[in-house]
Amino acid sequence: DIQMTQSPSSLSASVGDRVTITCRASQSISNYLNWYHQKPGKAPELLIYAASSLQSGVPSRFSGSGSGTDFTLTISSLQPEDFATYYCQQSYSTPYTFGQGTKLEIK
Amino acid sequence: EVQLVQSGAEVKKPGESLRISCKGSGYSFTSYWISWVRQMPGKGLEWMGRIDPSDSYTNYSPSFQGHVTISADKSISTAYLQWSSLKASDTAMYYCARLHHDSSGYLYFDYWGQGTLVTVSS
Repeated sequence: DIQMTQSPSSLSASVGDRVTITCRASQSISNYLNWYHQKPGKAPELLIYAASSLQSGVPSRFSGSGSGTDFTLTISSLQPEDFATYYCQQSYSTPYTFGQGTKLEIK
Repeated sequence: EVQLVQSGAEVKKPGESLRISCKGSGYSFTSYWISWVRQMPGKGLEWMGRIDPSDSYTNYSPSFQGHVTISADKSISTAYLQWSSLKASDTAMYYCARLHHDSSGYLYFDYWGQGTLVTVSS
C-alpha cells in the first residue's frame, strides 16, 4: 500500500494568515493526489484534485502543487470557515489511501 | 443536483448482521463507481472498497476484504455495505462517496453521503 504522511498534524493560525500543509507519498504517485477538508460532524469535501486543479465552487484562496512524492496545499488568506481537518489522498493505485489529517485550529 | 443519501444510524450487538445503504440521485448512477470510507471515532479516513454499479464489479482494500461486502442495485440507484457478524471494532462513521473518473484519467471523490453512524455494543 502507498503510505501518505501529512505534516504538521495540527496547526494554529489566525484569520488572514497564509497556511501551507504538506503531504508525502511513500512512492511516486505522479500527480494523482487529492485534497479534502472535513468540518466537525460533516462529510469530507473535495478541494483540489490532480494535485493542482481546483474543484468547482471552491474559493481561489485554495491552491495545490507538487508531483511525484511531495505535495502542498496552500490557503492564501485564512477565513473563519477554513478551520477544519485537511486530508490528502492518493488515487494512483488501490487501495486508495489518505493522510492522517492536519487539524487547522484558530490561534 | 447530485446527492448521495445514506440510511440512518444503527445500534447493534456484537455478532449481529447489518446492511447500510447509499442512494444516488441527480446523475446517472451506473456511470460512476461508489466507494465506502470508514472513519473510526476521532480518527482519519480509510478507504474500504468500491463498486461499479453498472456490473457490480467490486474492489476491496486488503484491510477490509472478507470483513464486509459491497453491493449495488442499479434499478433503485442504491449501493450497500454489509456485515455478517459485527464486532465492537466496527463502531465508526461510514461514508459513501462518488468516485469521479475524468477524461484525463484522474480519480477523486467529488460527492459524499452524509454518513451513517454504526455503533456496536453489548
